[in-house]
Amino acid sequence: AQSVTQLGSHVSVSEGALVLLRCNYSSSVPPYLFWYVQYPNQGLQLLLKYTSAATLVKGINGFEAEFKKSETSFHLTKPSAHMSDAAEYFCAVKGGATNKLIFGTGTLLAVQP
Amino acid sequence: NAGVTQTPKFQVLKTGQSMTLQCAQDMNHNSMYWYRQDPGMGLRLIYYSASEGTTDKGEVPNGYNVSRLNKREFSLRLESAAPSQTSVYFCASNSGNSNQPQHFGDGTRLSIL
Repeated sequence: AQSVTQLGSHVSVSEGALVLLRCNYSSSVPPYLFWYVQYPNQGLQLLLKYTSAATLVKGINGFEAEFKKSETSFHLTKPSAHMSDAAEYFCAVKGGATNKLIFGTGTLLAVQP
Repeated sequence: NAGVTQTPKFQVLKTGQSMTLQCAQDMNHNSMYWYRQDPGMGLRLIYYSASEGTTDKGEVPNGYNVSRLNKREFSLRLESAAPSQTSVYFCASNSGNSNQPQHFGDGTRLSIL
C-alpha cells in the first residue's frame, strides 16, 4: 500500500531564504510522485512530477524536487522564497494497479517580508 | 480553456437535505475523481471513475453516491446531508495513464447546518 508523510504542517521562511518542504513516501512498487500547490480558495495545481526518469525534477515557479530511493524521500526545494510562494503544498504518490493518488496532509508555507 | 468545472462554488444545506455536485471536464480524459478536503487531513478520495461506465469506492465513500453521466461529466450526490459532510469538495480528472497528473477544479465549499 502507498502512503505519504509530510513533515511539518506549517513552515515559515523569510523572503529570499531557501524553501525546503519534506515528503517521505511508502510504496511497494516504483512510485510516481507529485507535488501540488494550492492557493487560497483555489484548486490544486501541479508543480512537478517524478515518473522514473531523471531523479532531479524541475517544476514551475523555480521549484524542484529530488527523488531519493534510498531515503524514500521526494523533498521540494526553492533557492529563494518569494512572497507569492505563500500557499499550501501537497505531496502525493501513485502506485500499484490503480491510478488513485494518495495525498499527504499538506504543508502551509508562510513567507515573511 | 476551462479544464475541470465544478458547480456550485458554494452551498449551504440543512441536515437531511439532498444535493448533487456537478463536475465536467473538457480535456477528453478517461478518469475522474471526487475528493474531500478537511483541515489537517489533506485530500481524501471519495469515489472515482476509471473510465466511462465504471465507478469505484475510494477511501471515504459512506454517505455519497456518484454517477458517471458520460465521458465529460461525473456527479457526486449527498442523499441525506450530515454536518460531518461539511467540507470542500474537489473534482479531478486525468487521461487514465498512471504517470499523468490529475487536473483539479476550483472546488465546492459545502456547509451543512
